[in-house]
Amino acid sequence: QVQLQESGPGLVKPSQTLSLTCTVSGGSITSGTDYWSWIRQPAGKGLEWIGRVYSRGTTDYNPSLKSRVTISIDTSKNQFSLKLDSVTAADTAVYYCARQRWFHNADYTEDSWGQGTLVTVSS
Amino acid sequence: DIQMTQSPSSLSASLGDRVTITCRASQTISTYVSWYQQRPGKAPSLLIYGASTLQSGVPSRFGGSGSGTDFTLTISGLQPEDFATYFCQQSYSSPYTFGQGTKLEIK
Repeated sequence: QVQLQESGPGLVKPSQTLSLTCTVSGGSITSGTDYWSWIRQPAGKGLEWIGRVYSRGTTDYNPSLKSRVTISIDTSKNQFSLKLDSVTAADTAVYYCARQRWFHNADYTEDSWGQGTLVTVSS
Repeated sequence: DIQMTQSPSSLSASLGDRVTITCRASQTISTYVSWYQQRPGKAPSLLIYGASTLQSGVPSRFGGSGSGTDFTLTISGLQPEDFATYFCQQSYSSPYTFGQGTKLEIK
């Protein structure tokens, strides 16, 4: 059973870069056709899909964040990462990493999630 | 982007009740809808994908249906652990957008 765990600073200053890492255990990050994604959720609000990365480094970002987001993958460490530039208070949220798996009648769907990590943007 | 409009935003029900949550897509998306359950302080958990396929380990009291633009999640015989927030998500095209969520509370 694959497990995902987010790590990184819980507090980031405005205008700085938010950096998070997701460590995958119980399976290889290069296996099959899986993508690896990031999703965030402001307190008491809904879910926003940020983007995803494939094991070969191909990425796909939400256009609303595309100018500030970079998602990368380190297959040697079985990890993938999120960087979000020029953060503001509006970026305060719980950030989740997840595995996107292909299903024959559903295309790619997030089927395994990390527990989430709260990132607060404040001076 | 494809908009997913979920209703109701909140719902009160009793143990043993049958409830239905709906999700409408802003364009046709075949059966590319998933449903998630989120308990307080926890990550979302996949219940259903492909509009109607139950994820492994999910109780059979959960069911999904629909295609095109209109989708439903039905829970039959509510159990205490079912009181949570539910989200739909479309996987037809990127960005993979979510509905606003439905909070299911005990009456």
